[in-house]
Amino acid sequence: AQKITQTQPGMFVQEKEAVTLDCTYDTSDQSYGLFWYKQPSSGEMIFLIYQGSYDEQNATEGRYSLNFQKARKSANLVISASQLGDSAMYFCAMRERATGGFKTIFGAGTRLFVKA
Amino acid sequence: DVKVTQSSRYLVKRTGEKVFLECVQDMDHENMFWYRQDPGLGLRLIYFSYDVKMKEKGDIPEGYSVSREKKERFSLILESASTNQTSMYLCASSLAGGVTGGNSPLHFGNGTRLTVT
Repeated sequence: AQKITQTQPGMFVQEKEAVTLDCTYDTSDQSYGLFWYKQPSSGEMIFLIYQGSYDEQNATEGRYSLNFQKARKSANLVISASQLGDSAMYFCAMRERATGGFKTIFGAGTRLFVKA
Repeated sequence: DVKVTQSSRYLVKRTGEKVFLECVQDMDHENMFWYRQDPGLGLRLIYFSYDVKMKEKGDIPEGYSVSREKKERFSLILESASTNQTSMYLCASSLAGGVTGGNSPLHFGNGTRLTVT
């Protein structure tokens, strides 16, 4: 069963506008962490933002914010003032407890296209 | 700055060959991971390790094995490569710790694009 669901395979946004990338997750654990990564066409994976399951405030990092709705198991990424350089693949990920430690699992990703 | 190095950027192997993918990290991270990335499927966890000589299966371990003899090195082994193992393979490492596993992100290598013919 899919534990991280990103329902938007592709998204378009106009430059300078805000965009929300959806992510829902499934876990029965109370302790977990949520991450967003960006993968530009160069292929590198870039960490964007983190939210712990016990964090009461939504995480923010510059133009990135994470809209964390714990009861709905939702962790949407909001990018404000989109730039052409934001065009990339975006992955939502969850760090959850596993035998011996923690593992991180990923969603299928959303490809964002920023239009000039 | 953390560096995760994967030994090959591109690799072409024949069906049935034994394939070794090597990954080295230089920041003393406890945790290391192997993922494969396929279009439309995102990153899928193959194996991970939280300590030397320790290994745990991820979501798709079939056809793969791993070795972690030293803390900095985590090897992925395809015992008998098959065409359905053609993929991009990504190695990652992270610190351990914390109630939620900590806020330490994964640090990724540049990936190995493996083609099995």
